[in-house]
Amino acid sequence: DARVTQTPRDKVTEMGQEVTMRCQPILGHNTVFWYRQTMMQGLELLAYFRNRAPLDDSGMPKDRFSAEMPDATLATLKIQPSEPRDSAVYFCASGLVDTGELFFGEGSRLTVL
Amino acid sequence: AQSVAQPEDQVNVAEGNPLTVKCTYSVSGNPYLFWYVQYPNRGLQFLLKYITGDNLVKGSYGFEAEFNKSQTSFHLKKPSALVSDSALYFCAVSGASGGSYIPTFGRGTSLIVHP
Repeated sequence: DARVTQTPRDKVTEMGQEVTMRCQPILGHNTVFWYRQTMMQGLELLAYFRNRAPLDDSGMPKDRFSAEMPDATLATLKIQPSEPRDSAVYFCASGLVDTGELFFGEGSRLTVL
Repeated sequence: AQSVAQPEDQVNVAEGNPLTVKCTYSVSGNPYLFWYVQYPNRGLQFLLKYITGDNLVKGSYGFEAEFNKSQTSFHLKKPSALVSDSALYFCAVSGASGGSYIPTFGRGTSLIVHP
């Protein structure tokens, strides 16, 4: 079964540290999304790529967050420096523009102390 | 701007009874509508979608949803609930506005099926 793979599954770090989350989208998919899930805010869109080009990162705090797709098999989300309010589950999802449905990874649970 | 409303934070139903999880949407143009399910400590899983065609859409695990254009609704239904259906359900909408097709998700509805 093709699936979206995210690493790490769990990350505990201290405030001020750099955090990098990685995602391997499903081969052949042309869209990649990063979402953040919290109890208070629900699912928030952080970044959107189509054919590896960043099309929307309006939901992402620009001063500390960055998202890239160095190649078709890897998407990264970086937080530098991390803060306690960044504690959340971060999901990567991939899909095809034509069909619309997204396939989500299992998420990276981040805890910033 | 597009938006999704899931008016119920939680839906409780007895096993064997029919269930409905409500969703209404707002979008420019023709909507793409989706339902996803999330089990604890897992990612969201696609259940079904409506893009065009028959207003009644059938999906995974016996779920179906009815698209109602006049009421701008896309309620999720199942004729007979199972305890294993207990999970968090998300409705999502996207439109061709600007050609972006970025989905907007509702806040989710927790479905609890009692034995």
